[in-house]
Amino acid sequence: DAMVIQNPRYQVTQFGKPVTLSCSQTLNHNVMYWYQQKSSQAPKLLFHYYDKDFNNEADTPDNFQSRRPNTSFCFLDIRSPGLGDAAMYLCATRDSRFYEQYFGPGTRLTVT
Amino acid sequence: AQSVTQPDIHITVSEGASLELRCNYSYGATPYLFWYVQSPGQGLQLLLKYFSGDTLVQGIKGFEAEFKRSQSSFNLRKPSVHWSDAAEYFCAVGRNRDDKIIFGKGTRLHILP
Repeated sequence: DAMVIQNPRYQVTQFGKPVTLSCSQTLNHNVMYWYQQKSSQAPKLLFHYYDKDFNNEADTPDNFQSRRPNTSFCFLDIRSPGLGDAAMYLCATRDSRFYEQYFGPGTRLTVT
Repeated sequence: AQSVTQPDIHITVSEGASLELRCNYSYGATPYLFWYVQSPGQGLQLLLKYFSGDTLVQGIKGFEAEFKRSQSSFNLRKPSVHWSDAAEYFCAVGRNRDDKIIFGKGTRLHILP
């Protein structure tokens, strides 16, 4: 089945230690998104790629970076995680001909 | 500015009872509307979507939603809920001028046995 895959599902990192979360998709969608979701809140868009074009949200901290080496993969890098960065990180994809987004299962990040 | 309001933070219904989750949106143009469901510790799953045409849309898992332009609403309904429907439900509106969707704050559904 075509899907959005996120690895790892659970990630524990130390305060200030860089961490990378990954997302891959078999849907061949050209748009990919990263969201941060804290407990009992709606997902908050961090940035997205439209093909290779990177689009950063104005309020996304510089501590968050992203890479998209090819259509199928996208990475979220947190350069110096703080305690406030503990959250669920969701990857989503979209075919730009349509409007619905398809989400992966998420990565739960814990910062100790 | 575009916005989505889900007025109910929590809803509790008995198993087998009917369900309606409310959603109101604010958007100047024709909206693209979605309902997503999120089980604990999981990603969001698309339940249904509305772009145009028939204002009553059918989705997965027995859910339906009705678009009412005059009320700026897109309420989600299910005639008989199952214990497995306990989850968080997000209403969202898509903007046709960029690649984003705006989520409501969600409604958590609790099911009584």
